[in-house]
Amino acid sequence: EVQLVQSGAEVKKPGESLKISCQGSGYKFSSYWIGWVRQRPGKGLEWMGIIYPDDSDTIYSPSFQGQVTISADKSISTAYLQWSSLKASDTAMYYCARHLRYSGYLVDSWGQGTLVTVSS
Amino acid sequence: QSALTQPPSASGSPGQSVTISCTGTSSDVGAYNFVFWYQKHPDKPPKLVIYEVSKRPSGVPDRFSGSKSGNTASLTVSGLQPEDEADYYCSSYAGSIYVVFGGGTKLTVL
Repeated sequence: EVQLVQSGAEVKKPGESLKISCQGSGYKFSSYWIGWVRQRPGKGLEWMGIIYPDDSDTIYSPSFQGQVTISADKSISTAYLQWSSLKASDTAMYYCARHLRYSGYLVDSWGQGTLVTVSS
Repeated sequence: QSALTQPPSASGSPGQSVTISCTGTSSDVGAYNFVFWYQKHPDKPPKLVIYEVSKRPSGVPDRFSGSKSGNTASLTVSGLQPEDEADYYCSSYAGSIYVVFGGGTKLTVL
């Protein structure tokens, strides 16, 4: 069974850095694109970007390019999403998501979500 | 503003059918048969209910169906059940932008 397990909720102050994680199991982690989707409070889903863990090829949505960094460590089957300087507007639920390239990058498996709260 | 346009709300009584539209452009919905629909209940991750315009993943009831005409895709839920009450998001492959989502539609079962 494919499982994506995300790190726990975070409360941070504006300007702080943060790295959240998503560990995959039940499949060959390095062979599937994995990415992140944001949902701000009361808002819709936003696609942030994806990474191919085998070679670390990374693609960002234009809306998130330069705002976050997506990375992965295939040796421990874990993907990461990080910020160098958080803003209040980064407050959101973040889902990691396994994408299937040959099906138009549909998401067939989701993590449980990591709530990030940024407040002074 | 979301890349794909969905109505903010839809509703129907149990047993009825409801259709949710998703309008994109000739660069996403109109260009590819990679249109997906996700169901999202509060405090739960999304769940894929339709892929490649009209295909249902294993385990999704056949009450859920999808279609596409030009730049507009549609999700139809027939024989509405109380558990169908959720937010529904369309998504499409969009070439160089890769993936775009709609703004979501809140489906209420009256």
